[in-house]
Amino acid sequence: GAGVSQSPSNKVTEKGKDVELRCDPISGHTALYWYRQSLGQGLEFLIYFQGNSAPDKSGLPSDRFSAERTGGSVSTLTIQRTQQEDSAVYLCASSLQAGANEQFFGPGTRLTVL
Amino acid sequence: AQRVTQPEKLLSVFKGAPVELKCNYSYSGSPELFWYVQYSRQRLQLLLRHISRESIKGFTADLNKGETSFHLKKPFAQEEDSAMYYCALRKTQGGSEKLVFGKGTKLTVNP
Repeated sequence: GAGVSQSPSNKVTEKGKDVELRCDPISGHTALYWYRQSLGQGLEFLIYFQGNSAPDKSGLPSDRFSAERTGGSVSTLTIQRTQQEDSAVYLCASSLQAGANEQFFGPGTRLTVL
Repeated sequence: AQRVTQPEKLLSVFKGAPVELKCNYSYSGSPELFWYVQYSRQRLQLLLRHISRESIKGFTADLNKGETSFHLKKPFAQEEDSAMYYCALRKTQGGSEKLVFGKGTKLTVNP
């Protein structure tokens, strides 16, 4: 694959439902990041993975949010009992290693909670 | 805590005019600063980073530690520069690799 991919590209859900967002990083990239892009809020950091472990999950807004990464590759961000304020574009990025100068971003998943 | 401020939400200039997108940061250590750009219907991508001291697409940015600024400049704006620009900071100590972004500036270059 040429770059970071995310699925689905769009997700519409009802308040209270759970959603799973998927990120496929660039092959060989050990570091993976999740950000959220909300109207008027810019880009907010959610969680960072180095391999399969998450040394920094300080940006997760509540315990309804969780993420995992398996095999040092694919990551899933799960939002339980979605609320309308969760509506945003969720961006995933990867970098060759922690501390690398460039993070490569995916196209994002636009989540709309009705 | 580290913070990045982009005071202009919107910036509009005419083609050929100079453009400066402002970025100020607050961080007690020695940060790494970046500019990311998002063109219409494209993904966010790195434009330039302060440690490289490079010029990309005619843009430059100088880190001014005294003023805690990292403004992005281009002497002659082009229509294709119209995009959303984000300034970002990464801590160099403490182990966290996250980027802290400003809220972005939407640049429109008019013909």
